[in-house]
Amino acid sequence: QQPVQSPQAVILREGEDAVINCSSSKALYSVHWYRQKHGEAPVFLMILLKGGEQKGHEKISASFNEKKQQSSLYLTASQLSYSGTYFCGTERMDSNYQLIWGAGTKLIIKP
Amino acid sequence: EADIYQTPRYLVIGTGKKITLECSQTMGHDKMYWYQQDPGMELHLIHYSYGVNSTEKGDLSSESTVSRIRTEHFPLTLESARPSHTSQYLCASSDGTTYNEQFFGPGTRLTVL
Repeated sequence: QQPVQSPQAVILREGEDAVINCSSSKALYSVHWYRQKHGEAPVFLMILLKGGEQKGHEKISASFNEKKQQSSLYLTASQLSYSGTYFCGTERMDSNYQLIWGAGTKLIIKP
Repeated sequence: EADIYQTPRYLVIGTGKKITLECSQTMGHDKMYWYQQDPGMELHLIHYSYGVNSTEKGDLSSESTVSRIRTEHFPLTLESARPSHTSQYLCASSDGTTYNEQFFGPGTRLTVL
């Protein structure tokens, strides 16, 4: 029931774009995206709800395909500060506020 | 400023010791969570609470216990620490509204020798 994230790791040059995917085999109420830097706590990026509502930072964009139970996080014109591990957390329709987390995607940005 | 705090930040103890990891939040959130995370790995939910006097076990089997006597405080206790408990423990809270965004504390890195 753990969501599957892909790719496992990405190496980019500063200014390049990346897409990180998260898919679930269960019907979802929401998908949460967080970024975690080494030794720090996860930081909120974006929440996407079933039905189309979303909340997040201006510079971050994401999508949620309800038919496929898949979400994608789009990182454009990447900056060095985007480096870290990106986690998706999925909230199932029957899970009542609990999140199940993917294994993470490690993003390395090189100058 | 609303925030979520965890103490201690780092703890090194011997096998068999009893420890309590503290977590407090000033946001008035009803929902609180404890996660266990090994370096670079996913977060595993070990306990959660929907409010005062409400506690539930998460998906990951854990030998720890929690209590929720006050809204702002959600301590986690290990009665007898073992090397297998070595990990990072993250506390989080959420307001349980439509978006249910989770706010994380800085974590406690526990090493059991």
